[in-house]
Amino acid sequence: QSLLTQSPSVSGAPGQRVTISCTGSSSNIGAGYDVHWYQHRPGTAPKLLIYANNRRPSEVPDRLSGSKSGISASLAITGLQAEDEADYFCQSYDSSLSGVIFGGGTKVTVL
Amino acid sequence: EVQLVESGGELAKPGGSLRLACAASGFTFSGAWMSWVRQVPGKGLEWVGRIKRKNDGETTDYAAPLKGRFTISRDDSENMLYLQINSLKSEDTGVYYCATDVYFGSGSYFNEWGPGTLVTVSS
Repeated sequence: QSLLTQSPSVSGAPGQRVTISCTGSSSNIGAGYDVHWYQHRPGTAPKLLIYANNRRPSEVPDRLSGSKSGISASLAITGLQAEDEADYFCQSYDSSLSGVIFGGGTKVTVL
Repeated sequence: EVQLVESGGELAKPGGSLRLACAASGFTFSGAWMSWVRQVPGKGLEWVGRIKRKNDGETTDYAAPLKGRFTISRDDSENMLYLQINSLKSEDTGVYYCATDVYFGSGSYFNEWGPGTLVTVSS
């Protein structure tokens, strides 16, 4: 059981907006630790999408955005494209475990 | 261009040992913190542990549930990262990734990843 909870799946039609949530607790996101997001397609290396809650590496398009509030964080994808079909993971730090933690992942399906 | 290439994954027996390697290029390896992350079949990503750079003491941190059987080391002269896994268990089966570990703000994130190496533990 992950300390960061993500819904197992989300879907949307091309061009639509989808949001992926990541809910933690007072020992991780709620304690102020940053949240980071990754895209992972099977058989490939995971890719960093968002770091420090809402910062985007230069090569990541601006239709992806991150936010954080309270014990939760979100990744939004606007203008959904076929290439966005993948698994998405949030990541943070947990003070009770004294270590890095990941969410269970959300599968994004483009209809 | 940053490249990370893992190797050493194979079919191993429970109770045995494995040493995974990660060859790094395209960046100053000696100046980087490095981590290992694994993905167990049907599950999400799990952080295994990290090793800091020499300037930060080359200290290691491990995920609490995994402490004891995993050892991370590095050879800066060869730009190599290693993960030693002892007393292998079936639940160690999965894909193991090495990644650059960037400390920023209130924690660290993984900027660059390798394609992973598959470890299968079965009798």
